[in-house]
Amino acid sequence: SQQGEEDPQALSIQEGENATMNCSYKTSINNLQWYRQNSGRGLVHLILIRSNEREKHSGRLRVTLDTSKKSSSLLITASRAADTASYFCATLSGTYKYIFGTGTRLKVLA
Amino acid sequence: DAGITQSPRHKVTETGTPVTLRCHQTENHRYMYWYRQDPGHGLRLIHYSYGVKDTDKGEVSDGYSVSRSKTEDFLLTLESATSSQTSVYFCATRRGTDEETQYFGPGTRLLVL
Repeated sequence: SQQGEEDPQALSIQEGENATMNCSYKTSINNLQWYRQNSGRGLVHLILIRSNEREKHSGRLRVTLDTSKKSSSLLITASRAADTASYFCATLSGTYKYIFGTGTRLKVLA
Repeated sequence: DAGITQSPRHKVTETGTPVTLRCHQTENHRYMYWYRQDPGHGLRLIHYSYGVKDTDKGEVSDGYSVSRSKTEDFLLTLESATSSQTSVYFCATRRGTDEETQYFGPGTRLLVL
C-alpha cells in the first residue's frame, strides 16, 4: 500500500494564485521530497526537506514538514500556466527505498 | 533527465510472452530503480539495485525480475506478461548515499493484450 497520500487529488486555480497541496505519510522518515511530473514525462525533483527541518524555500516553492503529524505541504506561489503538472511527495525510509504518494494534479488556468 | 534513457518507449505485447525493458544511464550513478505508475497508485517500487549484481525487491516485485551486469544498465524482465502488468514503467537513478535525489527516465508504456 502507498505510504504517502496526497490531498487534494486534483486542484484547479487561476494564474497568479497560490497552490497548496498536502502529503501525509505513515512511518518515520529521513527526509521528504517533492517531485513534479509533466504529462507523459518522467518525474523531476523539486525540493527536499530533512526530518529535522520545519520549513524550506526554493524560488516560488515553500515546503513545510510536521513530523509529529507525519505531514508535509507544498506551496507554489504566484502560479503560472507552466506549473500545470502532477506533484508527488516521496519519503526515504531507510537507505534505499522511496515511497511515493498518489499525487496531486494541478491545473493552472491562464 | 540526468542521461537516462529507456527502451523501448512503447511496447504492445500479448499475454504470456516475455518482455524486457532496458534502462541505460551515463552518469555512473550507483543506485538504480524500477517503478510502475498506475492511475490512483502513484509510483510503486518494483525492484532496485544498489550496485552491480546487487538487487533487491520492492513492494510489487511479483512477476518481475531484474539484472544489473554493469553500472550503466538495469534490465527489467516480465517473465510471462499479464494484463495486470499493463502500465507505465519508469527507471530512476540515484548517485549514492551522499545524495537522496532521484533522477527519472522518460518512461516506457507497456500494453499487454
